[in-house]
Amino acid sequence: DADVTQTPRNRITKTGKRIMLECSQTKGHDRMYWYRQDPGLGLRLIYYSFDVKDINKGEISDGYSVSRQAQAKFSLSLESAIPNQTALYFCATSAPNDRADTGELFFGEGSRLTVL
Amino acid sequence: QKEVEQNSGPLSVPEGAIASLNCTYSDRGSQSFFWYRQYSGKSPELIMFIYSNGDKEDGRFTAQLNKASQYVSLLIRDSQPSDSATYLCAVRSSASKIIFGSGTRLSIRP
Repeated sequence: DADVTQTPRNRITKTGKRIMLECSQTKGHDRMYWYRQDPGLGLRLIYYSFDVKDINKGEISDGYSVSRQAQAKFSLSLESAIPNQTALYFCATSAPNDRADTGELFFGEGSRLTVL
Repeated sequence: QKEVEQNSGPLSVPEGAIASLNCTYSDRGSQSFFWYRQYSGKSPELIMFIYSNGDKEDGRFTAQLNKASQYVSLLIRDSQPSDSATYLCAVRSSASKIIFGSGTRLSIRP
């Protein structure tokens, strides 16, 4: 089983619909991230969370919200989806600095969202 | 100015040659620097990380960091067709968030 699991893997929806992308992890990491990837634009940070009570905006948070339901779960919501939110979304985790970890990100397999 | 910048490529290198990938960053307080490889349709995977100025070697890969110039690079020696992928530079900023560049597409030609 994957250490970082994203659901759904693929979703097609219509403009104006509410969408939730879910991420769960079994790595025991405190830090979780949501990124979106568009062709030629690399990965852009949407939101990140360093623990259950800590939520931070990233580079492109407008139009998105998140919920950190537990250490292992971090959900991304699009309250009213629009076509330019069509993208590949990645969830990732990392261990905190004070564990002397490398800071490596561990990614889920991605959720491909299409908004018509 | 973007926080992390890379040339998008594509960069075409003959098999067996050295591929050189470059990245600059804007936050002087950045702590850690990473190179990820991403095959089409797959998740990124870490290939190198570096914290200190200088070179770090791992097999065919060498990461180079120059904090004064805010520059990090990746050299791939003896390039193989399997190295054809998009290479993403990532930086852990002074705020501990991890920001990626737009990626460089590398193609190794036989």
